[in-house]
Amino acid sequence: NAGVTQTPKFQVLKTGQSMTLQCAQDMNHEYMSWYRQDPGMGLRLIHYSVGAGITDQGEVPNGYNVSRSTTEDFPLRLLSAAPSQTSVYFCASSYQAPDSQASGELFFGEGSRLTVL
Amino acid sequence: DAKTTQPNSMESNEEEPVHLPCNHSTISGTDYIHWYRQLPSQGPEYVIHGLTSNVNNRMASLAIAEDRKSSTLILHRATLRDAAVYYCIPSMYSGGGADGLTFGKGTHLIIQP
Repeated sequence: NAGVTQTPKFQVLKTGQSMTLQCAQDMNHEYMSWYRQDPGMGLRLIHYSVGAGITDQGEVPNGYNVSRSTTEDFPLRLLSAAPSQTSVYFCASSYQAPDSQASGELFFGEGSRLTVL
Repeated sequence: DAKTTQPNSMESNEEEPVHLPCNHSTISGTDYIHWYRQLPSQGPEYVIHGLTSNVNNRMASLAIAEDRKSSTLILHRATLRDAAVYYCIPSMYSGGGADGLTFGKGTHLIIQP
């Protein structure tokens, strides 16, 4: 199993440019999420999804869009990049029982390092 | 979410046991206690989780205080590969949870050869 795969691993953008960070998992997990990690900080939740067609906002959603058209993929879009979005982005997935709090451990990707100039 | 307090950093020697403390005095009676770790330049990885009783797995042991206001992650025999940031995370969910896990700053564990 590949687990959670993120692309690209590194990206440099200019202010105002748009881009999409890709995330794919091959574990048939219902739950997927995006975090960002700034230097010396813990991870902060951006958006999450509990299944195809369902997304919701996390702690820091502004400036980011997501969609979940398939179980496997959960792309994160930056519509107009800003220097404040310079960060390392992590995608994660887990098993999520329907209509229940029961869920499995989070599996994380290796991260995507984004620099906005 | 319950607030957690962890030491900023700890140092230990290779092949010795390591006890990583976490204080979560405001934890709810039904919150699970999760531990994740993050190796340098990698995403976090699951270590262990528990609710009330002590838990063991191939990576570590989790000792939960009887009043559940604190817990200790035990690495029985540290190796250089265990050098990482360790996060203690109370959560109402048994796993990832719908609104995610809240990662604080964690404890930076340094292993000396």
